Amino acid sequence: QVQLVESGGGVVQPGRSLRLSCAASGFTFSSYGMHWVRQAPGKGLEWVAVISNDETKKYYADPVKGRFTISRDNSKNTLYLQMNSLRADDTAVYYCAKGPVGHFENWGQGTLVTVSS
Amino acid sequence: DIHMTQSPSTLSASVGDGVTITCRASQSIIGWLAWYQQKPGKAPKLLIYKASSLESGVPSRFSGSGSGTEFTLTISGLQPDDFATYYCQQYHTYPYTFGQGTKLEIK
Repeated sequence: QVQLVESGGGVVQPGRSLRLSCAASGFTFSSYGMHWVRQAPGKGLEWVAVISNDETKKYYADPVKGRFTISRDNSKNTLYLQMNSLRADDTAVYYCAKGPVGHFENWGQGTLVTVSS
Repeated sequence: DIHMTQSPSTLSASVGDGVTITCRASQSIIGWLAWYQQKPGKAPKLLIYKASSLESGVPSRFSGSGSGTEFTLTISGLQPDDFATYYCQQYHTYPYTFGQGTKLEIK
C-alpha cells in the first residue's frame, strides 16, 4: 500500500534553514507529481508547493516563493522541501501528499516545524 | 488566487442527522474540487474528488455536488465517526487553495 513518511522537522531559529524529506513507497514514485501542504497549529490547510514527476515543473504558494525549494530524487523515491530564511509564520505541520491529478489521495503523517528563537 | 469560502464554520448535529456543508469559489473552478475529512492530530483523508466522485472506500453516506463556483458536501445519516473538520480544496489553478474548514460537532 502507499506509504509517505516525512522527516526532518524540528525547532529552528528565525532566518535559519531546514530540509524536509518524504520517503515514498507502494507506488511508482517517478510517475506522480508530488505536493507539500502545511497546517499551522490550530489553523486550516495551506498548499505549499508541487513538483511534476520529471521535475520539469514546480509551483509555489506566494508566502514561500523565493525561500522554499521543492525537489525530488526518483532513484531514491524521495521528495524534499528545502526551507530557507524561515519565519515564525512558517511554524506548521508539513505534509507530503500524492494525487493522480490535483486532489490528494494519499498523505504522510506530517512533520512539525517550529520556528522560534 | 482563487479564494474558497466554506459555510458554516461550525455545525452542530446529532447521530442520524443529515448535514450539508457549502463551499464557494471566488471564480469558476468548473468541477475541480475535492473534500477532505480531518480528525485531531491526523492527516486529512480524501472523501470526494472532481466535485462528486466518491473516493474508494469512503461510505456512500458522503456525497458531493456542484459546479462552477458553488459546491456542497452532504452527509446522510451521521455516524459517530463523522464528527471531524471538513475542508474543500480547488485544483483548477495554482496556487491550489483550501476553504477555512467546517467543524462538525456533536449536538
